Amino acid sequence: DAGITQSPRHKVTETGTPVTLRCHQTENHRYMYWYRQDPGHGLRLIHYSYGVKDTDKGEVSDGYSVSRSKTEDFLLTLESATSSQTSVYFCAISQPLGLVYGYTFGSGTRLTVV
Amino acid sequence: SQELEQSPQSLIVQEGKNLTINCTSSKTLYGLYWYKQKYGEGLIFLMMLQKGGEEKSHEKITAKLDEKKQQSSLHITASQPSHAGIYLCGADIEGSSNTGKLIFGQGTTLQVKP
Repeated sequence: DAGITQSPRHKVTETGTPVTLRCHQTENHRYMYWYRQDPGHGLRLIHYSYGVKDTDKGEVSDGYSVSRSKTEDFLLTLESATSSQTSVYFCAISQPLGLVYGYTFGSGTRLTVV
Repeated sequence: SQELEQSPQSLIVQEGKNLTINCTSSKTLYGLYWYKQKYGEGLIFLMMLQKGGEEKSHEKITAKLDEKKQQSSLHITASQPSHAGIYLCGADIEGSSNTGKLIFGQGTTLQVKP
């Protein structure tokens, strides 16, 4: 989607290796999120950020870390990838629109851990 | 247990038939979002509902929010093969906490038979 890009789009990695996924936005939105999507679970929140260097855990944060050193970039790191982390990862950005938020999702990164 | 339950989880309908997907929350809804996803692709925003009783339409898709029941329904009239995909509901259940986090239902996979 325009304004938000994820890289890489596809990645195959070996168990035990570190992996970093990147989310880049050009919208200057304050809020950024990382979700994972697995069959039967919809999207589950991993971590989110509400500003530069301000991050917090979501419901499935174990095994993941994030960093946000600039407004435009939100990095998701798997310190030591496991097969259970094989998934499709989506980044999202949002901005307040009155009492609700407007969201934009990236195109996703398909990660396979072998 | 899931805070946001979607039903049914999968649906196969004949082209031209109507169908309804439900999304029920166990917590107060501050915003309810409907997305569509084609297999292997990103999320396409359909509609956002905020107020109880609110109803919105886009082409042949109508969504309603029942605030008392904490439930939203997505109705497709005269389904077409182009409606096939995964439908996801997402909800802001935190309101004024201002993190913009969305939780998602498990998704409903729709197949439309020509």
